[in-house]
Amino acid sequence: EAQVTQNPRYLITVTGKKLTVTCSQNMNHEYMSWYRQDPGLGLRQIYYSMNVEVTDKGDVPEGYKVSRKEKRNFPLILESPSPNQTSLYFCASSTGAQAYEQYFGPGTRLTVT
Amino acid sequence: GENVEQHPSTLSVQEGDSAVIKCTYSDSASNYFPWYKQELGKRPQLIIDIRSNVGEKKDQRIAVTLNKTAKHFSLHITETQPEDSAVYFCAASRWDSNYQLIWGAGTKLIIKP
Repeated sequence: EAQVTQNPRYLITVTGKKLTVTCSQNMNHEYMSWYRQDPGLGLRQIYYSMNVEVTDKGDVPEGYKVSRKEKRNFPLILESPSPNQTSLYFCASSTGAQAYEQYFGPGTRLTVT
Repeated sequence: GENVEQHPSTLSVQEGDSAVIKCTYSDSASNYFPWYKQELGKRPQLIIDIRSNVGEKKDQRIAVTLNKTAKHFSLHITETQPEDSAVYFCAASRWDSNYQLIWGAGTKLIIKP
């Protein structure tokens, strides 16, 4: 089954404790990205990757890191999480750049206390 | 940079009536306009998209219209049904570059029985 998976789905952590949210897709997609979703703000892009070893900042990259060592995986790293990073996070992938259907993962609900 | 405004933020319609959601964009070079539907607790999914070389696109009860001169595009849902209740997001981008998708803030559509 073609899909985008994320782990964990839910995470409660404390300020400053490094965490990684994994994202994997099995559709051989070139393009992957991370979004955060907050009430009233819609979807805001954090980082995106056009291909392996190619990443770029989105709208809200501060406090986040990403890596794209393999085509299928695109982990999101929070080196020192803060309460303002409490949000719902979505990973997405597509065959090309932004102008193609984005396939979203199921989301990760992160709470930072 | 591009800015996308979406209205209304909440729309309540009687089952069977039509619903219209409108988005305006600022970058006249934008040429790809998708609409995503996000049901409660689910991931966003593409429902329809349009590129700037056409003015209208239909898929059963859903249609999107594009007015390039006025820089706005709209989602039309006819004969609304309970399963149409969701949050709808519009977005805009330039398909011929790496420019990112810029998202509207979303419209919560409520279908009243």
